[in-house]
Amino acid sequence: DIQMTQSPSTLSASVGDTVTITCRASQSISTWLAWYQQKPGKAPKLLIYKASSLESGVPSRFSGSGSGTEFTLTISSLQPDDFATYYCQQSDSYPFTFGQGTKLEIK
Amino acid sequence: QVQLQESGPGLVKPSQTLSLTCTVSGGSISTGGYYWTWIRQQPGKGLEWIGYIFYSGSTYYNPSLKSRVTISVDTSKNQFSLRLSSVTAADTAVYYCARETVEFTTLDSWGLGTLVTVSS
Repeated sequence: DIQMTQSPSTLSASVGDTVTITCRASQSISTWLAWYQQKPGKAPKLLIYKASSLESGVPSRFSGSGSGTEFTLTISSLQPDDFATYYCQQSDSYPFTFGQGTKLEIK
Repeated sequence: QVQLQESGPGLVKPSQTLSLTCTVSGGSISTGGYYWTWIRQQPGKGLEWIGYIFYSGSTYYNPSLKSRVTISVDTSKNQFSLRLSSVTAADTAVYYCARETVEFTTLDSWGLGTLVTVSS
């Protein structure tokens, strides 16, 4: 299985900040990488697919980049609604695997 | 807008079989271009992909669970189902059904999730 490693595990930031979350794959996955946002008690929500494509309806302050084994999710001008847990997920090969998550907390 | 809804027992005894159903509304499960997927999340932990089924019945399971998992589809009811046998406390989790787009391999629609507790 392809292992996905996110960093940091926890991130503290303030409203208006710009933050970056990193995801590394144990082998090359081209751009088969998605990012999800999950709030407590809710299902994950797709934000970014194919590493950098913004899902319909997702605010443009979310952006993704990367290819191969290293990827980033950047959230610009943090809003109160953005404080949640973020997961990366590889879809290069089955079984799909997820990162362990990055919890974005209010500083 | 497609919607997915999980249903099934919230409590299962150890060694028994966990059975869940996902009902799809707002779209046909028989539409090509989607894989219908199960994912779980153990309490306080990350996400684990369980497997998928295509409307034709073809499946793919996570090798770590393959010996215990069966996913089936009932196109007449617009539902697909998960069976996980010989459960233990480690199978306690929130179980989600989701839709994967074949084109971009994204999980673009999810059910709300249902907590299944394995306990005697």
